Amino acid sequence: AQSVTQPDIHITVSEGASLELRCNYSYGATPYLFWYVQSPGQGLQLLLKYFSGDTLVQGIKGFEAEFKRSQSSFNLRKPSVHWSDAAEYFCASNFGNEKLTFGTGTRLTIIP
Amino acid sequence: IAGITQAPTSQILAAGRRMTLRCTQDMRHNAMYWYRQDLGLGLRLIHYSNTAGTTGKGEVPDGYSVSRANTDDFPLTLASAVPSQTSVYFCASSDRDRAQYFGPGTRLTVL
Repeated sequence: AQSVTQPDIHITVSEGASLELRCNYSYGATPYLFWYVQSPGQGLQLLLKYFSGDTLVQGIKGFEAEFKRSQSSFNLRKPSVHWSDAAEYFCASNFGNEKLTFGTGTRLTIIP
Repeated sequence: IAGITQAPTSQILAAGRRMTLRCTQDMRHNAMYWYRQDLGLGLRLIHYSNTAGTTGKGEVPDGYSVSRANTDDFPLTLASAVPSQTSVYFCASSDRDRAQYFGPGTRLTVL
């Protein structure tokens, strides 16, 4: 079955430290892949998207993600987190249609 | 450009009442969606519309209806609200790039 998995429910990092949030998908072909961020009480904001081509994708707010076909992964990274990055992060994918399948989300906490 | 607007921002509703959540986009996107977000259950698709004049059922359509009379508007109606419909509702739209763009949400409480 087609699915998106975010293995980490909650991650805590220190301000200024690097960040990697994991995302794996299950699909027979290369899906369209997305990362969204949701701050408390807010809607989801698109951080970045991957369709094809360069496997390292740059997004907004200093985030990037790398598509690895061999690992069926699309991990989100940031070299140095800021307190304002504390939020819920969702990985999502289109599996050949317009509907999005979301992962269950990873809650990011930043400590001073 | 506002993107997607939703109204109301929040609402408390008595069970059995009818309620329409409004969603308007100004991006001229063909496809629109309604999701509900519940703690521990993530985002679940209620209904969608690939283009004006068409609608389809998502994961959790029971108790909800939608219409798509034009490109910009996609209202969601609860004909007779029940407490299990207490949730945060998000409207979204997408174009050919398949990325979905979300509204700010409506927090609905059914008592």
